[in-house]
Amino acid sequence: ETGVTQTPRHLVMGMTNKKSLKCEQHLGHNAMYWYKQSAKKPLELMFVYSLEERVENNSVPSRFSPECPNSSHLFLHLHTLQPEDSALYLCASSQEEGAGGNTIYFGEGSWLTVV
Amino acid sequence: GQNIDQPTEMTATEGAIVQINCTYQTSGFNGLFWYQQHAGEAPTFLSYNVLDGLEEKGRFSSFLSRSKGYSYLLLKELQMKDSASYLCAFMDSNYQLIWGAGTKLIIKP
Repeated sequence: ETGVTQTPRHLVMGMTNKKSLKCEQHLGHNAMYWYKQSAKKPLELMFVYSLEERVENNSVPSRFSPECPNSSHLFLHLHTLQPEDSALYLCASSQEEGAGGNTIYFGEGSWLTVV
Repeated sequence: GQNIDQPTEMTATEGAIVQINCTYQTSGFNGLFWYQQHAGEAPTFLSYNVLDGLEEKGRFSSFLSRSKGYSYLLLKELQMKDSASYLCAFMDSNYQLIWGAGTKLIIKP
C-alpha cells in the first residue's frame, strides 16, 4: 500500500461516455497531481493542486476536467475521450508544491482504455 | 531548452552490478530524483541528489555531477526482484519535475 489510492484500477470506456477517476491520499500532504503515463514516454504532468487550488494546467484538453474538493481527494472527470487518451493515469501527492527536494508519492494508477 | 535522456533498456545478471545513466540539460537545477516502477505498480522513490557526489542506500547508490549534467543509479548484488523500470527526473528552476522515459532493467538468472 502506497498511501495514495486510486480507483478504479482499470477502466474501459467508449468515446461518448462520461467517467471519473478517483484518488485519495492518506499522507497529510498539501499538493496533489495527475500524471499521464504512456508506453515508452516520459511522465506527462497534467494538473497540480496545492491546498485545493489549481496551480498548473499543462495545456490539457478540456475533455479532462480535474476536481479537488479537499486536500485528501482528487478526481479526474473524463468525457468524449479519444483512443489516443488510452494510458495509465497516475495520481500523486507531496508535502508541498514548488519546493526543492519535494518528494512525490504515487498511487498505483488507473489503466484507461478508450474504445 | 531542457531535456533528459536515459537508456531504454538494459540487461544484467543476478548477483552482478549494473549502472543506469541519466544525462540532462537545463538552465536551472534543483536536484535529481530516481524512482523504481515495477510493471503495473506505482513508481516508488529511491533517491534524491542535489549536491555532487555519491549517496549510498543499501544495495542502491546514486551519483550526481552537476557540471556534467550527469547522474547514475548503481545497483549492486542484483536480485530478480530488481527487474523494473527506473525513472530519472530533475527538478528545474520552477521546481517542476522533468522526467526521462525510463530504463527497463531485465535481470537474468
